Amino acid sequence: SQTIHQWPATLVQPVGSPLSLECTVEGTSNPNLYWYRQAAGRGLQLLFYSVGIGQISSEVPQNLSASRPQDRQFILSSKKLLLSDSGFYLCAFDKLGQGIPYNSPLHFGNGTRLTVT
Amino acid sequence: ELKVEQNPLFLSMQEGKNYTIYCNYSTTSDRLYWYRQDPGKSLESLFVLLSNGAVKQEGRLMASLDTKARLSTLHITAAVHDLSATYFCGMDSNYQLIWGAGTKLIIKP
Repeated sequence: SQTIHQWPATLVQPVGSPLSLECTVEGTSNPNLYWYRQAAGRGLQLLFYSVGIGQISSEVPQNLSASRPQDRQFILSSKKLLLSDSGFYLCAFDKLGQGIPYNSPLHFGNGTRLTVT
Repeated sequence: ELKVEQNPLFLSMQEGKNYTIYCNYSTTSDRLYWYRQDPGKSLESLFVLLSNGAVKQEGRLMASLDTKARLSTLHITAAVHDLSATYFCGMDSNYQLIWGAGTKLIIKP
């Protein structure tokens, strides 16, 4: 079965420190991968998406970056965290556009709660 | 501009009552999603709606799609406390899901 793993589950980091959040998918190949951020009590903001290795599209200008070094691995990074980077980060995948039934949903990881102090 | 608007954003209701959450979107969409999020948790897929007139039901939840009106609804029948959560709708546009702000639903015993 297809699964998605994110870690860590929670993270407290000081302002100015680096960040690395990792997401891996199992049970499928060539997924579309997404990073979302959810501020407290708010909706979802798409940060990055990737349709293949090394292919990253950024949706929001910020001090975050994403990389996809392997087919099923998606990493969210920052060189220097800001207070405004606090939030709930969700990785997700789907198989849209790959011959999979069009009514297949987006699958989310369990999320990483980041607090920048 | 691609926009998805949900209303209400907050809803408190009694068990046993019926209610509807509305999701309006601004442009044609390939797919319309409904997700549920419990506090501090990730998002759980409820429904994916593809075509005009699509209706899907799961337990006490029923979702429908009117592509001409650019409107989807999530109807709750005879609500129970376990349905308390935040519900999000989202529409698909070129690999992006554009999300509504979410409807926080509290169901009181």
